[in-house]
Amino acid sequence: GGIITQTPKFLIGQEGQKLTLKCQQNFNHDTMYWYRQDSGKGLRLIYYSITENDLQKGDLSEGYDASREKKSSFSLTVTSAQKNEMAVFLCASSIVTGKISDYTFGSGTRLLVI
Amino acid sequence: SQLAEENLWALSVHEGESVTVNCSYKTSITALQWYRQKSGEGPAQLILIRSNEREKRNGRLRATLDTSSQSSSLSITATRCEDTAVYFCATPLYYAQGLTFGLGTRVSVFP
Repeated sequence: GGIITQTPKFLIGQEGQKLTLKCQQNFNHDTMYWYRQDSGKGLRLIYYSITENDLQKGDLSEGYDASREKKSSFSLTVTSAQKNEMAVFLCASSIVTGKISDYTFGSGTRLLVI
Repeated sequence: SQLAEENLWALSVHEGESVTVNCSYKTSITALQWYRQKSGEGPAQLILIRSNEREKRNGRLRATLDTSSQSSSLSITATRCEDTAVYFCATPLYYAQGLTFGLGTRVSVFP
């Protein structure tokens, strides 16, 4: 079986800092995603990528950059961390069959900004 | 607002009992997925039910889909303590790849 690995598991940053989160998958899935999970707000899509070097914005892309360097990796950059921000960032991948796909999620990066 | 949402924030049951989580959604869909997220982990897909299916089973799990009322349910029978988790329903985004998730229902199973 495959696995999605997110690094780091925990990230503490300072206000205004640029922070990068990384995600690797070995499923050979075409599409990868970044979601943000806030307490009480469910998961919201930040960016996704359907192939290497492709980037598509989700609902929450403002304040973030993303990069799909190769098929197996997808990174997310918080361009300027906001003070007291606390959220979990989840990476996922899928083989897309039309609009119906099986998604696999990583275990997340927990961000705290002080 | 969420395009998919669970109807209750939290439920608690004792081991061995059954529990049902309900979900409603706002757009026409091709499929609906149920996920479980345990503390410290990412969501894990439990069941994918397509719009032309009314019921889908996976072991102790049973999902139903009613496209006329735009609602779905996930039932867990013979619950175990390890079923304690947040359960989400999710539907495909109509404007992009990816899913829209409900806020989740926290299910706690006590011995």
